[in-house]
Amino acid sequence: DTAVSQTPKYLVTQMGNDKSIKCEQNLGHDTMYWYKQDSKKFLKIMFSYNNKELIINETVPNRFSPKSPDKAHLNLHINSLELGDSAVYFCASSQTSGGEQYFGPGTRLTVT
Amino acid sequence: GENVEQHPSTLSVQEGDSAVIKCTYSDSASNYFPWYKQELGKGPQLIIDIRSNVGEKKDQRIAVTLNKTAKHFSLHITETQPEDSAVYFCAAGPYGDKVIFGPGTSLSVIP
Repeated sequence: DTAVSQTPKYLVTQMGNDKSIKCEQNLGHDTMYWYKQDSKKFLKIMFSYNNKELIINETVPNRFSPKSPDKAHLNLHINSLELGDSAVYFCASSQTSGGEQYFGPGTRLTVT
Repeated sequence: GENVEQHPSTLSVQEGDSAVIKCTYSDSASNYFPWYKQELGKGPQLIIDIRSNVGEKKDQRIAVTLNKTAKHFSLHITETQPEDSAVYFCAAGPYGDKVIFGPGTSLSVIP
């Protein structure tokens, strides 16, 4: 069973479009995260939710909007996509905030 | 602000040799130091972690050492194998509700 799953795995879209990435964890964890990994492999946290409540909101353009319908799901919606949004986006979860994190397989977003 | 540095950025070793990756952190309040391994096309996976009340921790061929005075910690992999080839990330925290990741080390083990 996949602990943290993301869909889609690949996403190719044009500038200006709006897209969503979905994440689900079946570990019973309270905290979920979104990370962006750029071409140099640097992992940068974007958002974190604890029990459906936003607890981390890093300096991210407001075109990015996370939504957590329940503590097992954390989705990421991106409006008006730009070339610089191209990256791999990872979802992760942990039992408690700041603890051991379990990462999903990533979604490679390519904006053309 | 919080910062985690990691060296080297790339590392090549012969199979069977040891590999060492070093990290430094800026906030002396840090007390949790995990290491993640990211294989090609996959998400990072925790391989070992250490907390500030422990100076060294070992799990088979991997070990982590921590020097709180100097604010640095290291990952040691002995008897390297080709399947150890990956990108390794150190991290430090927690800072509020997050950990800060280092920039990563790409390890290549040459058969």
